[in-house]
Amino acid sequence: EAQVTQNPRYLITVTGKKLTVTCSQNMNHEYMSWYRQDPGLGLRQIYYSMNVEVTDKGDVPEGYKVSRKEKRNFPLILESPSPNQTSLYFCASSLGQGVGPQHFGDGTRLSIL
Amino acid sequence: AQTVTQSQPEMSVQEAETVTLSCTYDTSESDYYLFWYKQPPSRQMILVIRQEAYKQQNATENRFSVNFQKAAKSFSLKISDSQLGDAAMYFCAYRTDGAGSYQLTFGKGTKLSVIP
Repeated sequence: EAQVTQNPRYLITVTGKKLTVTCSQNMNHEYMSWYRQDPGLGLRQIYYSMNVEVTDKGDVPEGYKVSRKEKRNFPLILESPSPNQTSLYFCASSLGQGVGPQHFGDGTRLSIL
Repeated sequence: AQTVTQSQPEMSVQEAETVTLSCTYDTSESDYYLFWYKQPPSRQMILVIRQEAYKQQNATENRFSVNFQKAAKSFSLKISDSQLGDAAMYFCAYRTDGAGSYQLTFGKGTKLSVIP
């Protein structure tokens, strides 16, 4: 079954404590991306990757890092989380450049106190 | 930077009726992609339909179709024969076709309610 798996689904943590949200896809997709969703703002792209070792910034990259060492994995790293990063996060993947994100993970609800 | 505007924060439709959700965008590019995504209460994100800007023909997927007006920079979604399962947030999205870029911009969404 085609799947994008995010972990954890929910996390409550404190300011400054480094955390990683993992994202893995089993479809051999080249393109992966991260989004945050906030009420009234829709989804905003944080980072994207077009292949292994190829990543670039989206609209709201400040405070986040990513890596793409393997095709299937695209973790999102918050080195020093702050309360304004409390949000719902989605990882997505797609096969080609023209199709847009095709498969999304189930989302990760992060609360940073 | 591109902007995507969904001017209707909320809409409602009677079951079995037709509803149109509007989306406009601002860009100076000639080649790009447009998408509609659905987010039901389960919060899953589901790709509904996509349109390439170079194609004049409007995309259709079963009960979902778009009205793409390139000159007007408008990309509306029509849902025919609305069903209870269509109740969701709908997001319009724009993606540049620029080589080496996968930037995607979403609108703020329209919440669709379906009345039985």
